[in-house]
Amino acid sequence: DAGITQSPRYKITETGRQVTLMCHQTWSHSYMFWYRQDLGHGLRLIYYSAAADITDKGEVPDGYVVSRSKTENFPLTLESATRSQTSVYFCASKTGAGELFFGEGSRLTVL
Amino acid sequence: KQEVTQIPAALSVPEGENLVLNCSFTDSAIYNLQWFRQDPGKGLTSLLLIQSSQREQTSGRLNASLDKSSGRSTLYIAASQPGDSATYLCAVYSGGGADGLTFGKGTHLIIQP
Repeated sequence: DAGITQSPRYKITETGRQVTLMCHQTWSHSYMFWYRQDLGHGLRLIYYSAAADITDKGEVPDGYVVSRSKTENFPLTLESATRSQTSVYFCASKTGAGELFFGEGSRLTVL
Repeated sequence: KQEVTQIPAALSVPEGENLVLNCSFTDSAIYNLQWFRQDPGKGLTSLLLIQSSQREQTSGRLNASLDKSSGRSTLYIAASQPGDSATYLCAVYSGGGADGLTFGKGTHLIIQP
């Protein structure tokens, strides 16, 4: 199916564990993004990537790592999960005209 | 720094009514504005993208307008249906990389059958 797919959709982990959220797009858009969405904060940008091997920090990057070895994949890793990282994570990509498309989200709970 | 405000935060109307959702932004130097809907537990679905050179965009029962000079955009929904119930968000891109995209907090819309 065309679009953005995120996996896993739901994840429960424990404090201190490493977690990787996957994001795959089928369009070959250059720009990709990771956001987290929390009640009271709305959407906040974690990291973004302008192309393969080019990544940059957003508003809330601490505790997260990203990589982009291929244009279509943009995984987000929590190196040592904390309870404050319990959230819904959204991956997105952007067309050349500037239209943003989102994945279905990954709901992460850190116990 | 760009700020985007959506008022009201919540709205409940009877089915069949035409309604308007508002999005205001503080810096009129924008490249584009995008409207999304978000259903509970789901991702954001793109509804309409308006470039800075455009005044409006239409898709089915939806019409979005943009007035850069006044820092406002409206999303008009005609003949509302219960399936339109969702949270509607607007996002403004002001340039300068990914940090230049600013989201509003959304309007939670309920259409009463």
